[in-house]
Amino acid sequence: KQEVTQIPAALSVPEGENLVLNCSFTDSAIYNLQWFRQDPGKGLTSLLLIQSSQREQTSGRLNASLDKSSGRSTLYIAASQPGDSATYLCAVLRDGANSKLTFGKGITLSVRP
Amino acid sequence: DVKVTQSSRYLVKRTGEKVFLECVQDMDHENMFWYRQDPGLGLRLIYFSYDVKMKEKGDIPEGYSVSREKKERFSLILESASTNQTSMYLCASSRPQGVIETQYFGPGTRLLVL
Repeated sequence: KQEVTQIPAALSVPEGENLVLNCSFTDSAIYNLQWFRQDPGKGLTSLLLIQSSQREQTSGRLNASLDKSSGRSTLYIAASQPGDSATYLCAVLRDGANSKLTFGKGITLSVRP
Repeated sequence: DVKVTQSSRYLVKRTGEKVFLECVQDMDHENMFWYRQDPGLGLRLIYFSYDVKMKEKGDIPEGYSVSREKKERFSLILESASTNQTSMYLCASSRPQGVIETQYFGPGTRLLVL
């Protein structure tokens, strides 16, 4: 059974810091890995999607990497801003599992001004 | 622009009531999903539908049923609400696209069962 882990559960950093959020998964047979953002009391918004054959994806100040063999992904946020404060969830699309995503529990990020 | 809407943002119901949560997507997606999200437990899949009138149980279907009579609409039904069903409910939709498939989420419904 696929399990996705995100540690720590919460993180607080000063504005301007570069930071890395970690995600690990137990089964390397995945279609893709995705990072989502969730603001308090809201739904999820897709940030980045890395296909199983890719190593990384970039969007603006965000860069996500994927190492399937070790079961790890990282989300790098450059020059963090207070507006980046949110919960970040990673999810894997299970290989041959009818579009189902397995989610980690998320990392709640607070960027202090 | 992609849009998934949920009928209510907040809902308060009494134990034993029948509760309907509605979700509508305007992207002609084949797949629709219902999740619940609880602190410390993360997102858990309740039910999944891959076509009209087709459904599949997720990880925690007990106490819930679903209905998909039209492609754009997916309803979650709590036959007899209980206090342990107090939660945030999230609907999502997707198009089967293999390695580039992603899900689009609605804003969520926060349900309180008293």
